Amino acid sequence: DAKTTQPTSMDCAEGRAANLPCNHSTISGNEYVYWYRQIHSQGPQYIIHGLKNNETNEMASLIITEDRKSSTLILPHATLRDTAVYYCIVRVEDAGGTSYGKLTFGQGTILTVHP
Amino acid sequence: KAGVTQTPRYLIKTRGQQVTLSCSPISGHRSVSWYQQTPGQGLQFLFEYFSETQRNKGNFPGRFSGRQFSNSRSEMNVSTLELGDSALYLCASSRRGGNAGELFFGEGSRLTVL
Repeated sequence: DAKTTQPTSMDCAEGRAANLPCNHSTISGNEYVYWYRQIHSQGPQYIIHGLKNNETNEMASLIITEDRKSSTLILPHATLRDTAVYYCIVRVEDAGGTSYGKLTFGQGTILTVHP
Repeated sequence: KAGVTQTPRYLIKTRGQQVTLSCSPISGHRSVSWYQQTPGQGLQFLFEYFSETQRNKGNFPGRFSGRQFSNSRSEMNVSTLELGDSALYLCASSRRGGNAGELFFGEGSRLTVL
């Protein structure tokens, strides 16, 4: 799976949009971009994923550049409860099933939302 | 529906002992994966079980093992515990199809080795 690079930490004011960047310049054509977050003392939580089109769900939006070498996770109206470590993961969708259940986590971005 | 359940939540062992951790996946999920999280190494994949068979394995010594039962519940075992095995052990379940990268994690079992 391709390596990802994220800033170590970011701050955001409550109610403002949080934009978390991720660089994955070596991504392959069959690799998806996944985002997870981990709130302190809890297990990671799936947020969103995409291949090449922008995606949106009830939690966030994912913007992937046209060359797919980077992406941005957007939390449109950050709250204090969004304070967490955010992980950007690039993963092959393995139809053969040998990589199911395996995610390669980096160090992630510590997002702190301030009142 | 109920989430992924891990037991015990906290435990303390001494070096040389062995430990067994349990994971009950979300109903209908047949894939169970295990991860180790430490401050130094972060989140690392241990192994994945599907249909009672280990399908994928991370880079951990043979002291780390697991199994899955016919009801999809899984256990992992660590033998001859070392101080470095102190960690949060996380279990995740998935449907193993469709959105294959969407894993549902439990809250973990925090192991302290003294």
